[in-house]
Amino acid sequence: QKEVEQDPGPLSVPEGAIVSLNCTYSNSAFQYFMWYRQYSRKGPELLMYTYSSGNKEDGRFTAQVDKSSKYISLFIRDSQPSDSATYLCAMSGRAGGTSYGKLTFGQGTILTVHP
Amino acid sequence: DGGITQSPKYLFRKEGQNVTLSCEQNLNHDAMYWYRQDPGQGLRLIYYSQIVNDFQKGDIAEGYSVSREKKESFPLTVTSAQKNPTAFYLCASRAGTGRSYEQYFGPGTRLTVT
Repeated sequence: QKEVEQDPGPLSVPEGAIVSLNCTYSNSAFQYFMWYRQYSRKGPELLMYTYSSGNKEDGRFTAQVDKSSKYISLFIRDSQPSDSATYLCAMSGRAGGTSYGKLTFGQGTILTVHP
Repeated sequence: DGGITQSPKYLFRKEGQNVTLSCEQNLNHDAMYWYRQDPGQGLRLIYYSQIVNDFQKGDIAEGYSVSREKKESFPLTVTSAQKNPTAFYLCASRAGTGRSYEQYFGPGTRLTVT
């Protein structure tokens, strides 16, 4: 079983829809959670960064972390065609000593928002 | 502008040749990473470096080598020993201080070996 599971999709929604992207994980040491957006043939771009459980909002994007369920989500409101990309979740435990802040990634969800 | 640059964007090599991918950052970050991305497999860590003149193997280091002679630079060499070198290679960096665990990525290099 992978440490981080992410439904690869593909997910296709109409413009204006609310999109929900999710990841589950098994390592209870994970405390730092990130969502990246990756356009085709480009490097991943950091969208959201959260620490421990709770919600974080940034414009049309909301990140949720539920550590008790080992479940994180990214919501996109009023989705636009420009949101069409692959979305990667990533997470890390606390760095210290010989640790190096390693990120463990989900495999990514391909999202298409059609006009 | 601060950021991470990778060159070249596309690279073509014949089987049996070593090839070096460039990664430079001007973010003054301490830690740098190399990942490999294959379709449907997410990102897999090849090598990482927390400080100059020090680097460690990641999850899939076989057939790769790195150096970290300067804080700004972390080149990756794909050797002829790497069995399946064709992939999208991504370099990333992290500040490495406090609770900053987020990594920032370069634009990537697509390597094709035939």
